[in-house]
Amino acid sequence: AQKITQTQPGMFVQEKEAVTLDCTYDTSDPSYGLFWYKQPSSGEMIFLIYQGSYDQQNATEGRYSLNFQKARKSANLVISASQLGDSAMYFCAMRLNRDDKIIFGKGTRLHILP
Amino acid sequence: KAGVTQTPRYLIKTRGQQVTLSCSPISGHRSVSWYQQTPGQGLQFLFEYFSETQRNKGNFPGRFSGRQFSNSRSEMNVSTLELGDSALYLCASSSATGGSNEQFFGPGTRLTVL
Repeated sequence: AQKITQTQPGMFVQEKEAVTLDCTYDTSDPSYGLFWYKQPSSGEMIFLIYQGSYDQQNATEGRYSLNFQKARKSANLVISASQLGDSAMYFCAMRLNRDDKIIFGKGTRLHILP
Repeated sequence: KAGVTQTPRYLIKTRGQQVTLSCSPISGHRSVSWYQQTPGQGLQFLFEYFSETQRNKGNFPGRFSGRQFSNSRSEMNVSTLELGDSALYLCASSSATGGSNEQFFGPGTRLTVL
């Protein structure tokens, strides 16, 4: 069965520091995609970054990068130079390309301290 | 381009009643997915519709149903409401299925069952 594990329920980070949010996944399918979403207190889910299972390079989007280690089945999100507005819930998710169903992790609540 | 809209934003119902939630995807998007978010279970996939056909279904009882219209708008129905159905229901749309196609989420409908 497919599964996403986020082991950090909450994190506190000083503003301007880099932060790494952990995500491990489990699947035997060779073709899949990994996503990270941000959910502020307003509730809306905001897409951050995507990594395909066959992508050779780690994905980057501005201050966000995905540290993809396929052999370890990990897809950690790295936020550089954190800002107060980064305080939110962060979800790692996986979609199998054979059925498009998306599975989410339990999330990590990130608090950026001034 | 307008984002994904969901109506109503808030809903209070009593046990045994039924409820219908509506989702209007981004113009041109043909795929609509529904998710239930609760503090205990996190984000769980309900179902996905593409071109008026249900392509995928999560592990929810038959009380949860949905449909998609020819204009891609989707409705989700929950019959015989239970207290445990209290949750944030999120709808997401994408232009196609699979791969890196980003899902754009709506603001959600917060359902409270008394």
